[in-house]
Amino acid sequence: DAGVIQSPRHEVTEMGQEVTLRCKPISGHNSLFWYRQTMMRGLELLIYFNNNVPIDDSGMPEDRFSAKMPNASFSTLKIQPSEPRDSAVYFCASSMDIYSGNTIYFGEGSWLTVV
Amino acid sequence: RKEVEQDPGPFNVPEGATVAFNCTYSNSASQSFFWYRQDCRKEPKLLMSVYSSGNEDGRFTAQLNRASQYISLLIRDSKLSDSATYLCVVTRYSGGGADGLTFGKGTHLIIQP
Repeated sequence: DAGVIQSPRHEVTEMGQEVTLRCKPISGHNSLFWYRQTMMRGLELLIYFNNNVPIDDSGMPEDRFSAKMPNASFSTLKIQPSEPRDSAVYFCASSMDIYSGNTIYFGEGSWLTVV
Repeated sequence: RKEVEQDPGPFNVPEGATVAFNCTYSNSASQSFFWYRQDCRKEPKLLMSVYSSGNEDGRFTAQLNRASQYISLLIRDSKLSDSATYLCVVTRYSGGGADGLTFGKGTHLIIQP
């Protein structure tokens, strides 16, 4: 079975450039999550969707970050303009639904370095 | 108080020993609890759910103490392959109910030969 698929796996970009991270959730999963992980802050929830609708984006650090889910099989997280402090691993995860506390499955992550 | 707190470690434990670590959570309404494992430079993966009555999966035992709001993970006969970061995960609540999971920062475990 295909798991959560993320791309790119690694990206190095210059400050000020736009970064787009992509995610394909597990088929049949209704909830999709974007997390960011750094050594200092651990795993932080940025935003999550249920049935393609953004439910809570309070974790999005600032207006430079935006996320979309145009359909059940695709989501993007965009950073524009990027800054060095955005360097982190960005994980996309999906689950059957968010309400029952079901386990969530993570993609392998997108390792972002902004120089 | 942070939503989910863990001792970051590292816990350095000789192979074959028993090791245990706890995690505390602040929201008494939390209903679902999990332990995830994350290997270096990998994604977190579910290790086990934590049930009210406690549960065991091979060498791993998870327990929940609602009164004191903590969960624990016990690893018996530790193996070198158990070296990883163990993340405590608790149902996240806001507004109308459960809406996802909150992760602790993890406890780093190193099993030494």
